[in-house]
Amino acid sequence: GAVVSQHPSRVICKSGTSVKIECRSLDFQATTMFWYRQFPKQSLMLMATSNEGSKATYEQGVEKDKFLINHASLTLSTLTVTSAHPEDSSFYICSARDMAGWGQETQYFGPGTRLLVL
Amino acid sequence: SQQGEEDPQALSIQEGENATMNCSYKTSINNLQWYRQNSGRGLVHLILIRSNEREKHSGRLRVTLDTSKKSSSLLITASRAADTASYFCATAVLLWGNNRLAFGKGNQVVVIP
Repeated sequence: GAVVSQHPSRVICKSGTSVKIECRSLDFQATTMFWYRQFPKQSLMLMATSNEGSKATYEQGVEKDKFLINHASLTLSTLTVTSAHPEDSSFYICSARDMAGWGQETQYFGPGTRLLVL
Repeated sequence: SQQGEEDPQALSIQEGENATMNCSYKTSINNLQWYRQNSGRGLVHLILIRSNEREKHSGRLRVTLDTSKKSSSLLITASRAADTASYFCATAVLLWGNNRLAFGKGNQVVVIP
């Protein structure tokens, strides 16, 4: 089946630093990837839709200058949390849609990245 | 915005029993999907039901969809300890060629061996 990886799986950083999270589709090409955020014992909240070769589409309330998304290739999207603060501590999950299936409903999810900002 | 909303349940059942979870949503959807998440891990896709379908089976899973009531249910039959996880429903709305998912709050299921 389709596999999506994320790196790192967990990261601890100091307040004010920036953190980059990678999302890769390992055995398929993804023109579209999605970034979600999940707080403990809560649901996933869609942050943005990442489109290869174009700007990401951010959900209402998500600061695009705070959460920089780059989808430079058909297999890689990155999320950079800039000037991280403790309130950015969360579980970040990406998903990808296989471009071979236009209209394909299923998104394949990565294992998530746990970010802790001290 | 969140559309899928599970009943706020934390189920604790004995192994072998059935577990049922419900999900309601508010707007028209393209399809509805159920996912499982083990603690601190990513999501595993379980089953997808399209808006024109009423029931679907996959192994020990049975999903129903009632678009008139804007609700869905997930039934896990003959539960196993390994089924212990959080279960989320997610409604998919087709927008600009992409199915955007809106997740519900999730149901914590504990299967006691």
